[in-house]
Amino acid sequence: GENVEQHPSTLSVQEGDSAVIKCTYSDSASNYFPWYKQELGKRPQLIIDIRSNVGEKKDQRIAVTLNKTAKHFSLHITETQPEDSAVYFCAAGGPGANNLFFGTGTRLTVIP
Amino acid sequence: NAGVMQNPRHLVRRRGQEARLRCSPMKGHSHVYWYRQLPEEGLKFMVYLQKENIIDESGMPKERFSAEFPKEGPSILRIQQVVRGDSAAYFCASSKYTSVETQYFGPGTRLLVL
Repeated sequence: GENVEQHPSTLSVQEGDSAVIKCTYSDSASNYFPWYKQELGKRPQLIIDIRSNVGEKKDQRIAVTLNKTAKHFSLHITETQPEDSAVYFCAAGGPGANNLFFGTGTRLTVIP
Repeated sequence: NAGVMQNPRHLVRRRGQEARLRCSPMKGHSHVYWYRQLPEEGLKFMVYLQKENIIDESGMPKERFSAEFPKEGPSILRIQQVVRGDSAAYFCASSKYTSVETQYFGPGTRLLVL
C-alpha cells in the first residue's frame, strides 16, 4: 500500500518568512495530493490540493509543487503570519485506493 | 449548506462500555470515511462506506469495532467494550463521488475512556 512520509515534524519561522514542508510517497499510481491544516482541537481543513497532471499550483500565499518522477510534493507558505500556526498534513490518494494516506504532520509555529 | 456533522463532540466512557459515534455527511455526498487520530499523531484510515455498503474496512480493528451507513440516517461507528487505548479523536469525512478527490472533514468526536 501507499506510504507517505512528511518532514519536518516541527518548524518554527519568523513572521514574514517562508515555510516549506515536504512529503514523499511510495505508490507511483497515486495521483491526488491534498494538504490539510489542523488547528488545535479543530477539524482538518483542506487548504490546497494538486493532481498529478499538474506540476505546481498556487493560491495566494500558498503553493504546492509535485515531482512525479521523484515521488515527492511540497507545501510552500510565503509571508507567514501568526495565524498560519497549526499542524499541516499532506496526503496521497490514487485509483484503486479507497482512502487518503496521511503523513504524520508538521507543527508550524510562526513567531511574531 | 451545512458541512459534515459529527456528534457527540466529546464522549466519556468507562472501560467495557460501548461508544457510538455518529456522522452526517455533507448534503449530496454519498461517500463516508472514518479516521482515527491519536494524540500528536496523523490520521489513520479505518473504514470507507457508501450508502448501505462497507467498501473498505481494512483499517478497522477486527474485533469490537463496526461501522454502518444506513439508507436513512447518519453513519455510525460503534466501539464495543471500550479500552483505554481507544481514547482518540475520531474524524468522519465525506466526498461526493470517489475517494480520490476532496474529502471534507467533520469536527470530530473526542473519545475518552476512563
